[in-house]
Amino acid sequence: IMLTQSPATLSVTPGESISLSCRASQSISTNLHWYQQKPNESPRVLIKYASQSISGIPSRFSGSGSGTDFTLNINRVEPEDFSVYYCQQSNSWPLTFGSGTKLEIK
Amino acid sequence: EIQLQESGPGLVKPSQSLSLTCSVTGYTITSGYDWSWIRKFPGNKMEWMGYISYSGSTNYNPSLKSRISITRDTSKNQFFLQLNSVTTEDTATYYCARATPSWFAYWGQGTLVTVSS
Repeated sequence: IMLTQSPATLSVTPGESISLSCRASQSISTNLHWYQQKPNESPRVLIKYASQSISGIPSRFSGSGSGTDFTLNINRVEPEDFSVYYCQQSNSWPLTFGSGTKLEIK
Repeated sequence: EIQLQESGPGLVKPSQSLSLTCSVTGYTITSGYDWSWIRKFPGNKMEWMGYISYSGSTNYNPSLKSRISITRDTSKNQFFLQLNSVTTEDTATYYCARATPSWFAYWGQGTLVTVSS
């Protein structure tokens, strides 16, 4: 299953609210997870199963979607949010990741 | 607290085998879950390579099936990656991770492996 993330790069100013897209090549129900990766760090899971929150993750991160279209929302971007975001599907083997969206400071 | 740590050579010659170790602390790998290897290529593409389960069964990405082997040493609470016949296209940062059960909550810090003569 291919996951297409858009945009590839998003330039925003801190305080803006944004949405990142992940589209699957076939229906994956809600078996979609979101990660954040900062330079020289390991990925950190933000959202599991499309919309379920993860303990310890700030509430400004939320997810939605099912089937083939998914969205990660960040309400009022903070300076520490500038990084790369990936989606990952677990509906079928092999597990696959999207190509990532880089969130950069405008 | 669960921690994973990758180790192994940072430079491998083309056509040789890449071998990495993931050492796990804070959880016994035979107690549960699947233990995966994931790599990130230059340019951000990420690829799940395969896992070894708590019971010892394995599941590999078909794109690598003929070249990959994941094994474990339960006495040392470690699992291993071997990737044969590497090329420059295998240059990547390699991560070990624990699936919970199908998303990855715990990751190692990653180790860069460069394939070059």
